[in-house]
Amino acid sequence: GAGVSQTPSNKVTEKGKYVELRCDPISGHTALYWYRQSLGQGPEFLIYFQGTGAADDSGLPNDRFFAVRPEGSVSTLKIQRTERGDSAVYLCASSLNRGHEQYFGPGTRLTVT
Amino acid sequence: EDQVTQSPEALRLQEGESSSLNCSYTVSGLRGLFWYRQDPGKGPEFLFTLYSAGEEKEKERLKATLTKKESFLHITAPKPEDSATYLCAVLAGSSNTGKLIFGQGTTLQVKP
Repeated sequence: GAGVSQTPSNKVTEKGKYVELRCDPISGHTALYWYRQSLGQGPEFLIYFQGTGAADDSGLPNDRFFAVRPEGSVSTLKIQRTERGDSAVYLCASSLNRGHEQYFGPGTRLTVT
Repeated sequence: EDQVTQSPEALRLQEGESSSLNCSYTVSGLRGLFWYRQDPGKGPEFLFTLYSAGEEKEKERLKATLTKKESFLHITAPKPEDSATYLCAVLAGSSNTGKLIFGQGTTLQVKP
């Protein structure tokens, strides 16, 4: 079956611009997660949704970052006033429910110039 | 503070040369330990979940084990296609969160 998909695969933007990254989870998975991965590091947690609500947003670095999941399926990660330090691979994952294994998408590589 | 440390950072093996990767963790209330494989330019691929000390899981040339302080990923007679970065992650703390805490990974290279 279809796995987690993410679009775009690559995004280059200028410092100060706004970007949106999209995640389509595995059908039927109620839990959705966003992580950020820098080169040579493990993924770093950003936010977790259970259904439509953000159950844990403790990993969002500041208020420039925001994520939504309005219908409990597709999610969008939004970054305002991008900074060069935001450059990384943004990974989305989904699981049947919290506590179950998480399945990751291919990621979106964000480059802020 | 919850922490996960993997060693070594990099490992080079000859084809057929068995070895082990280590994942040490310090967490409050382990709810699960996960192993993933990550190829360059791709997202992590799920391998195993371990829930309690003494548990073992196997898949082809890989075997994962868990104690109260660490987990090992044993690779038996590796092949070049086993070359990848192996990530360990823990799920810990409150049952309200699904947050995984990852180690920095071990990059394995298997030479023919």
